[in-house]
Amino acid sequence: DQQVKQNSPSLSVQEGRISILNCDYTNSMFDYFLWYKKYPAEGPTFLISISSIKDKNEDGRFTVFLNKSAKHLSLHIVPSQPGDSAVYFCAASGVSSSNTGKLIFGQGTTLQVKP
Amino acid sequence: DGGITQSPKYLFRKEGQNVTLSCEQNLNHDAMYWYRQDPGQGLRLIYYSQIVNDFQKGDIAEGYSVSREKKESFPLTVTSAQKNPTAFYLCASSIGGTRAQETQYFGPGTRLLVL
Repeated sequence: DQQVKQNSPSLSVQEGRISILNCDYTNSMFDYFLWYKKYPAEGPTFLISISSIKDKNEDGRFTVFLNKSAKHLSLHIVPSQPGDSAVYFCAASGVSSSNTGKLIFGQGTTLQVKP
Repeated sequence: DGGITQSPKYLFRKEGQNVTLSCEQNLNHDAMYWYRQDPGQGLRLIYYSQIVNDFQKGDIAEGYSVSREKKESFPLTVTSAQKNPTAFYLCASSIGGTRAQETQYFGPGTRLLVL
């Protein structure tokens, strides 16, 4: 049962253009969403998060959008840079007595930014 | 310089052998987590601990064991019962307690290979 899904395994964009990474979830109890960036053989690095009380959060070149009715979130990177080439994971968590703090991860999307 | 350290970076296991992966954090975080990443997949939760001397099984705990005797340390033992141990293992920590909407921060990972 994949509660968090990233349906695009890979994405290729040109330097300077916008990268849009998508993530869908099924559990309506999720109320906190995060994006992580991961280089090969390294640990994930936290990028940006959003609470379910918001529909947008922005941090520099990174913006996360949340559409609760569609159970969909997206990460926009503008402008994309070659150093952004990495695997991006979305993750979700929800408040319940048994899993406070636990994150559920999507499968990841590999972003390639071409110079 | 606060952070999470994992050692060793690479670990080799012989058939029938137990091996222990180290995870240490100096962030004063209460909660710690162990994940496993396989190629093309997201991170799957093995064990987590919200507080010292307490831990819970995650989604794929079979063949693994943990201890949490100190706040800073959360070692993971991969036992001989784990039939497919080859993977990239990631340790994470968060502020913890009963807070929701937590961000987890990851260590650099340990790659375990079976000889």
